Amino acid sequence: DVVMTQSPLSLSVTLGQPASISCRSTQGLVYSDGNTYLHWFQQRPGHSPRRLIYKVSNRDSGVPDRFSGSGSGTDFTLRISSVEAEDVGIYYCMQGTHWPFAFGGGTKVEIK
Amino acid sequence: QVQLQESGPGLVKPSETLSLTCTVSGDSMKTNYWSWIRQPPGKGLEYIGYISHNGDINHNPSLKGRATISLDTSNNQFYLKLSSVTAADTAIYYCTRTARLLDFWGHGALVTVSS
Repeated sequence: DVVMTQSPLSLSVTLGQPASISCRSTQGLVYSDGNTYLHWFQQRPGHSPRRLIYKVSNRDSGVPDRFSGSGSGTDFTLRISSVEAEDVGIYYCMQGTHWPFAFGGGTKVEIK
Repeated sequence: QVQLQESGPGLVKPSETLSLTCTVSGDSMKTNYWSWIRQPPGKGLEYIGYISHNGDINHNPSLKGRATISLDTSNNQFYLKLSSVTAADTAIYYCTRTARLLDFWGHGALVTVSS
């Protein structure tokens, strides 16, 4: 099975400062259709997860442009260019390429 | 707008079968895949499985054959059954749209396994 490893486990960020979360997979995530099914989800306290970024770098509708995704192969990154108070929560990467699909362990983002 | 709503008993006894329903609105179940995800309290997300209307079904092997996902397109619902539950199956269960993309999520249903 593909294992997704996120780092760091937690991040304490000053408002207005950037933040970066890493996600590594144990296998490459390019599917036979040419797509890389690596996504990022945000889970605010008390809420269900919400997809922010799909297929590595595509922002979902309504997601602020301070969120961006990048990467290829087995190494992926979610960046927040300028953290705001509403960004507090847990962020998960997920691979939808190899069955069983799997999530990373999560990265908790809090405000310093 | 696509909406998903989980429903089912909030308490299940150990060794019994957990049964949940996801009701979909704003989309036809014949045009997508549909999935179940769970999250034990205070822990991360686990992918349970997915289903499509044409019979493509997959359950996570980690559940050792205890999970069964089915759907009823006439009612715009899909279902999860998890047999022989233990306390380790206590979790918030989410239904979602698509298998690989998980673009829309329900609010989740907390199921506690306890006698």
